[in-house]
Amino acid sequence: GAGVSQSPSNKVTEKGKDVELRCDPISGHTALYWYRQSLGQGLEFLIYFQGNSAPDKSGLPSDRFSAERTGGSVSTLTIQRTQQEDSAVYLCASSLGATIPFDEQFFGPGTRLTVL
Amino acid sequence: SQKIEQNSEALNIQEGKTATLTCNYTNYSPAYLQWYRQDPGRGPVFLLLIRENEKEKRKERLKVTFDTTLKQSLFHITASQPADSATYLCALDRRVTGANNLFFGTGTRLTVIP
Repeated sequence: GAGVSQSPSNKVTEKGKDVELRCDPISGHTALYWYRQSLGQGLEFLIYFQGNSAPDKSGLPSDRFSAERTGGSVSTLTIQRTQQEDSAVYLCASSLGATIPFDEQFFGPGTRLTVL
Repeated sequence: SQKIEQNSEALNIQEGKTATLTCNYTNYSPAYLQWYRQDPGRGPVFLLLIRENEKEKRKERLKVTFDTTLKQSLFHITASQPADSATYLCALDRRVTGANNLFFGTGTRLTVIP
């Protein structure tokens, strides 16, 4: 079956603009995660959705970052007033969910964001 | 918060040898520890999960150990092949009820030389 997909694969924007990044998780996966990976760095947790529960936003670096998940499926990560330090690869992952604790996460290919 | 250290940013070994990668953590002991492989330009791919009450887990040429006393996990690839060249990431759970996200290390870039 299809894996996790993300769009766009690359995004170049100007400082101060807003961007939206999209993630389509694997069908049936109730958990969805967003991570950020800067050059040569590890994955930085941003936000986690589990079913209909309130999302865990503890990793969002500032209030310019927000995410939503509509209908328990597709998720959009929005970055407002982008800054150059926001340049990174944004990775989305999904997993079966909380009934299987810490189950494996399936990652998408990522969106490479470049802020000029 | 949890601090995770993975040995040397890069590791080069000869084909056929055993590669050993280290993951050390400094704070609480996780309930689960996972290892992922990441190729350039791609998202990480899950390899193995080991629980805190397990000492060792194997999958084909891969072996993971978990020592909660030393706060360390070792990841071994036996009979290494050039196709094993990639970055390997260890990840630990937050050990917070209902929080299913992981802390990831920065990874070790493994190069297997033919």
